[in-house]
Amino acid sequence: DGGITQSPKYLFRKEGQNVTLSCEQNLNHDAMYWYRQDPGQGLRLIYYSQIVNDFQKGDIAEGYSVSREKKESFPLTVTSAQKNPTAFYLCASSIEVGASSGNTIYFGEGSWLTVV
Amino acid sequence: KQEVTQIPAALSVPEGENLVLNCSFTDSAIYNLQWFRQDPGKGLTSLLLIQSSQREQTSGRLNASLDKSSGRSTLYIAASQPGDSATYLCAALDSSYKLIFGSGTRLLVRP
Repeated sequence: DGGITQSPKYLFRKEGQNVTLSCEQNLNHDAMYWYRQDPGQGLRLIYYSQIVNDFQKGDIAEGYSVSREKKESFPLTVTSAQKNPTAFYLCASSIEVGASSGNTIYFGEGSWLTVV
Repeated sequence: KQEVTQIPAALSVPEGENLVLNCSFTDSAIYNLQWFRQDPGKGLTSLLLIQSSQREQTSGRLNASLDKSSGRSTLYIAASQPGDSATYLCAALDSSYKLIFGSGTRLLVRP
């Protein structure tokens, strides 16, 4: 089945630790995104990538890092510099970054990160 | 800066009722407006996408409208069912190709 796979579903982080969330897509999409969702809130953009080996900061990039070494993969690292990382993290992809007709965005099932 | 607002935050209706969810945005310079469904603890599923040049889109019992001049979009759900219970989010694709999300309307359809 085509889609986006995020892992792990649940992750616990100790103070001072870096953790990495995995995102893999087999939709052959060029654009990939990471969003953060806090309870009762909308989604906020952390990072996005338009193509392999390229990525840009979103609105809340501080304390996060990404890489895009392969088209299919866009992992997100939550560093110890992120002071309030407890949230629901969503990975998404689309054919491209843009407004062309049919450029639907697809989401993974999300990963819950909790600081302990 | 684009801001997207959804009112009400929560809505409870009896099964079979027709209902309207509201979405407003502050900057009319958008490329499109999208509606998503989110089940508890899950990702988002795209429901409808309205390009800026369009007025409405329909899919089954769902109809979404867009009025750029007034900065409003509505999602109309006909003959609601318990399976429609979920959170519905709207998002505007702004002039820098970023999706700006509202905080959602949590819908409960009572049997």
